[in-house]
Amino acid sequence: AQRVTQPEKLLSVFKGAPVELKCNYSYSGSPELFWYVQYSRQRLQLLLRHISRESIKGFTADLNKGETSFHLKKPFAQEEDSAMYYCALRRSSGSRLTFGEGTQLTVNP
Amino acid sequence: DVKVTQSSRYLVKRTGEKVFLECVQDMDHENMFWYRQDPGLGLRLIYFSYDVKMKEKGDIPEGYSVSREKKERFSLILESASTNQTSMYLCASRELADSYEQYFGPGTRLTVT
Repeated sequence: AQRVTQPEKLLSVFKGAPVELKCNYSYSGSPELFWYVQYSRQRLQLLLRHISRESIKGFTADLNKGETSFHLKKPFAQEEDSAMYYCALRRSSGSRLTFGEGTQLTVNP
Repeated sequence: DVKVTQSSRYLVKRTGEKVFLECVQDMDHENMFWYRQDPGLGLRLIYFSYDVKMKEKGDIPEGYSVSREKKERFSLILESASTNQTSMYLCASRELADSYEQYFGPGTRLTVT
């Protein structure tokens, strides 16, 4: 069975500092990886997925199959990045998502 | 713009009551999902449905059931609510099985006393 682990429940950085939210997964095949974000009092929404390989709101994430990781990075954090971030995996197109425990990011002024 | 709505934002029920949580989506999506969101545990899938009248168990189906009589509506039922079902419940929809994005509702905060 697949599993997603986000080792940091809470992460606090200062504005302008780099930020990295860690995500590790266990799955023997070739999964699809996603990051979802939930801002305060807003719905959970898709931030990015590994297949697109694009930068969204300054965030990027690279799938490292050797280390089975999909860390989310941003070089200069902004206060508006404060939110709950979830890493998610699906085994193949059509299957359900498996979410990690979530990381609450706080960007301090 | 996809809209997923949930019948209540906040709900307080007593132990043993039968509870219905309703979810409606307006984009003709085939797939719908019910999750629990708990601090430190993330999102856990309760049930999902690939189409009308179809349902499949997720990771934590015990104590819950679902109903999908119409494509746009997916109901979560707590047959006899218990205090350990106090949680935030999120509904989501997905256009097709191979679509990559899920669209979430605003959530229902259920408290069972």
